[in-house]
Amino acid sequence: KAGVTQTPRYLIKTRGQQVTLSCSPISGHRSVSWYQQTPGQGLQFLFEYFSETQRNKGNFPGRFSGRQFSNSRSEMNVSTLELGDSALYLCASSLTRREQNYGYTFGSGTRLTVV
Amino acid sequence: GDSVTQMEGPVTLSEEAFLTINCTYTATGYPSLFWYVQYPGEGLQLLLKATKADDKGSNKGFEATYRKETTSFHLEKGSVQVSDSAVYFCAHWGGFQKLVFGTGTRLLVSP
Repeated sequence: KAGVTQTPRYLIKTRGQQVTLSCSPISGHRSVSWYQQTPGQGLQFLFEYFSETQRNKGNFPGRFSGRQFSNSRSEMNVSTLELGDSALYLCASSLTRREQNYGYTFGSGTRLTVV
Repeated sequence: GDSVTQMEGPVTLSEEAFLTINCTYTATGYPSLFWYVQYPGEGLQLLLKATKADDKGSNKGFEATYRKETTSFHLEKGSVQVSDSAVYFCAHWGGFQKLVFGTGTRLLVSP
């Protein structure tokens, strides 16, 4: 079965713009989480969605937002981009919230470059 | 607070050498522990996991044992291959439904 699909794979944006990243979880998976990976800060948790509701949010400014649709697909949005937002954004899915305890399945990520 | 500490890299080995990557964690209680691997240009792949103390996770020749006494989860492999070259991340299941990752250890295996 198909894995976690993230689109696009690469993005280049200008400071001040906004961007939307998309994540399609494994079929049947209802929990979606997002992580940011940078060389300086490593892997940091952004948010978690389940049943179209944000269940948890990491320590990121309000410029970072997301949502989940009824088909479990998720999007994250970053407004007013800053150079420091350049990162690999990873989406992960699991069947349920409880199943997260056994490990997520990650997508290949979207590499965002802000210039 | 919750954290994971893993050894600095890069770890450089010759093919067929023995691998150990150290990982210790700080957490409340006894969370599930994981090793993820990241190949160049890719996302994270779950390599192995252990969900309770004394469990041994294993996959593709890699092993790690959940040691609650030493709060450790060291990754080992008896004989590495060039194809094992990647970045390895230790992680634990933190509070509030999120993974807490270490900084990653790059492994370079030469023929």
